[in-house]
Amino acid sequence: RKEVEQDPGPFNVPEGATVAFNCTYSNSASQSFFWYRQDCRKEPKLLMSVYSSGNEDGRFTAQLNRASQYISLLIRDSKLSDSATYLCVVAGGTSYGKLTFGQGTILTVHP
Amino acid sequence: GVTQSPTHLIKTRGQQVTLRCSSQSGHNTVSWYQQALGQGPQFIFQYYREEENGRGNFPPRFSGLQFPNDSSELNVNALELDDSALYLCASSKRLAGDLDTQYFGPGTRLTVL
Repeated sequence: RKEVEQDPGPFNVPEGATVAFNCTYSNSASQSFFWYRQDCRKEPKLLMSVYSSGNEDGRFTAQLNRASQYISLLIRDSKLSDSATYLCVVAGGTSYGKLTFGQGTILTVHP
Repeated sequence: GVTQSPTHLIKTRGQQVTLRCSSQSGHNTVSWYQQALGQGPQFIFQYYREEENGRGNFPPRFSGLQFPNDSSELNVNALELDDSALYLCASSKRLAGDLDTQYFGPGTRLTVL
């Protein structure tokens, strides 16, 4: 079983749509959770950290459920510029500083 | 920001390669990741104050160095076809036992023929 699992998609949505990505992780000792965004042939960039209380940054909302070991990302009012691969990432536990990435979910927003 | 060189590299099986990374100023920790096509990055190892501080499931032919001047290297010996990937370094600052956000460089794309 992979440490971090994501639906690879691809997700193809029209502009203005709401899209949700889900992710599960296997290491219950994980302490930090993130969503990264990676554009084609570029490096991953931090989109947002994820907290148990849930957090929002503009059109993006992230949720964490520690009991179910489940992380989600909701994108509202999708823009063409949101087209990218979204990587679910966990850190902490026994491997200090190591980021464990999911496979990534490909999102394409079309006009 | 974080820079890496070279941007692209082509090697043949059995050769050795050295990839370089220049961390963000003031960062004392560098991590290296391998990203195969269609996969998420995989942790190779991390260096803190010039010493290896954690390693993923990679064989000993993957080795690294961190220098006092914010630069680091990833060395891979006896290259195999499966080593073809994007190699990313990420720098960060360790503060009071906690690790701050890791910032990634643009990566080096290695092709092994």
